[in-house]
Amino acid sequence: QSALTQPRSVSGSPGQSVTISCTGTSSDVGGYNYVSWYQQHPGKAPRIMIYDVSKRPSGVPDRFSGSKSGNTASLTISGLQAEDEAEYYCSSYAGTYTWVFGGGTKLTVL
Amino acid sequence: DVQLLESGGGLVQPGGSLTLSCAASGFTFRVHGMIWVRQAPGKGLEWLSYIRRSSSGAATFSADSVKGRFTISRDDSKNTLYLHMDSLRAEDTAVYFCVRKQSQVFTMDVWGQGTTVTVSS
Repeated sequence: QSALTQPRSVSGSPGQSVTISCTGTSSDVGGYNYVSWYQQHPGKAPRIMIYDVSKRPSGVPDRFSGSKSGNTASLTISGLQAEDEAEYYCSSYAGTYTWVFGGGTKLTVL
Repeated sequence: DVQLLESGGGLVQPGGSLTLSCAASGFTFRVHGMIWVRQAPGKGLEWLSYIRRSSSGAATFSADSVKGRFTISRDDSKNTLYLHMDSLRAEDTAVYFCVRKQSQVFTMDVWGQGTTVTVSS
C-alpha cells in the first residue's frame, strides 16, 4: 500500500498547458484502468476531475484530460485558468477492494 | 442533490475511541459501496476502509495502518455509514472524509465535506 508518486509542484501561466504525472506499479496504476484525479482547493473536499484513466464527469471542463502508459498516469490541463490553482491527487484501485493515492501536486498558475 | 454529511469528530485523548457518522442523501445508499479517506494536517489523502453494499455481504477491507483499530460499518435503514476508531494515536489526527464508490466501477465519485478528529492530551 505504498503511495503513488507525483511531483510536489507544477506551474504554468494562464492559457498554457501543464501535465501532472502519477507513477505506481503493476499492482495498481499499471494493473487496472481505474485511475482517478481529484482537485482540492484549500479547506475544501476533493472533487473528481477524471475517472477510469480518461473519462470526465459531467460538469468538468474539457480542458482536463487523462491518460496512462504502463505504470504512469497523467493529468493534462490545457488553457490554464486562475481557478485551476489547487492541489491535485491521483488515485488508483489496487485490487481486493483497496485503493492508493498519490502524495499530491500543487499547481500554481503564475 | 447527492450529499454526504459527516459528523462525530472532535478532541479525543490518545488511546481513546471515537465513532464517526456519515449521513447520505439524494441517492440509493444501499446499492453503493462506501469508503473512508483521511487527510492529516498539511498532508495528502489516505484511503482507510471500504465496505461493500449489503447485498454483497457488506464485506469490509482496511488499510494496514488502521487494521484492527478502525471498524467500518453501515446501516442502510438509516442511510448512514460509520467509522468506529479505537486506540487512537496522535498520528490519527486528520480530517476524515466519507466517500461514495461509484456503482460497477472502482471510482470514488462523491465526497463529504469532512469531519475533524484531533488526538491530543
